[in-house]
Amino acid sequence: GAVVSQHPSWVICKSGTSVKIECRSLDFQATTMFWYRQFPKQSLMLMATSNEGSKATYEQGVEKDKFLINHASLTLSTLTVTSAHPEDSSFYICSARRGPGSSYEQYFGPGTRLTVT
Amino acid sequence: QKEVEQNSGPLSVPEGAIASLNCTYSDRVSQSFFWYRQYSGKSPELIMSIYSNGDKEDGRFTAQLNKASQYVSLLIRDSQPSDSATYLCAVKNGNQFYFGTGTSLTVIP
Repeated sequence: GAVVSQHPSWVICKSGTSVKIECRSLDFQATTMFWYRQFPKQSLMLMATSNEGSKATYEQGVEKDKFLINHASLTLSTLTVTSAHPEDSSFYICSARRGPGSSYEQYFGPGTRLTVT
Repeated sequence: QKEVEQNSGPLSVPEGAIASLNCTYSDRVSQSFFWYRQYSGKSPELIMSIYSNGDKEDGRFTAQLNKASQYVSLLIRDSQPSDSATYLCAVKNGNQFYFGTGTSLTVIP
């Protein structure tokens, strides 16, 4: 199988603090990982694409200084929401894509629900 | 024009019927196509991938791809209430994945 984990699954934090979310591919190496955000009853919104060992590529309108992404290894990417505000409350989902030579399928983590009070 | 378009629904079918979900894409050179299922409050789950024209069957699911017409569809046979979810179509073009906004399916017991 292709299993992607996220930690934490649910986090509540106070406004102004930072939150780190981890995304791990457990049984395959992921050269590329994606970070999405999803508001209630809305579709997935791609925030950024990260490739192992290089800087993340952010989608238009996503603040790179606010959403820090580090793809430190072939199995781990982290998203840090800095100085979180209530409007950052959302469902954050990562996905991982297998490397070249595979089917390029994306596998999603279970998501992290962030609530900023 | 959006890269990937889906009818948002909701689509309702009775239990046991065939549910048909459709998706169109704009870039003719797209090569890889995927269907994901997302239950409310959960993350998407890959259920089908298809890369060449024609049909691909997996259990009760059949994906159909027509590159000339630039559409991909998903058929769910013998629909069950547990199939009620939002179905997302995704298209890979180069290094980019494009997701549709999803079609909400409700299977009525």
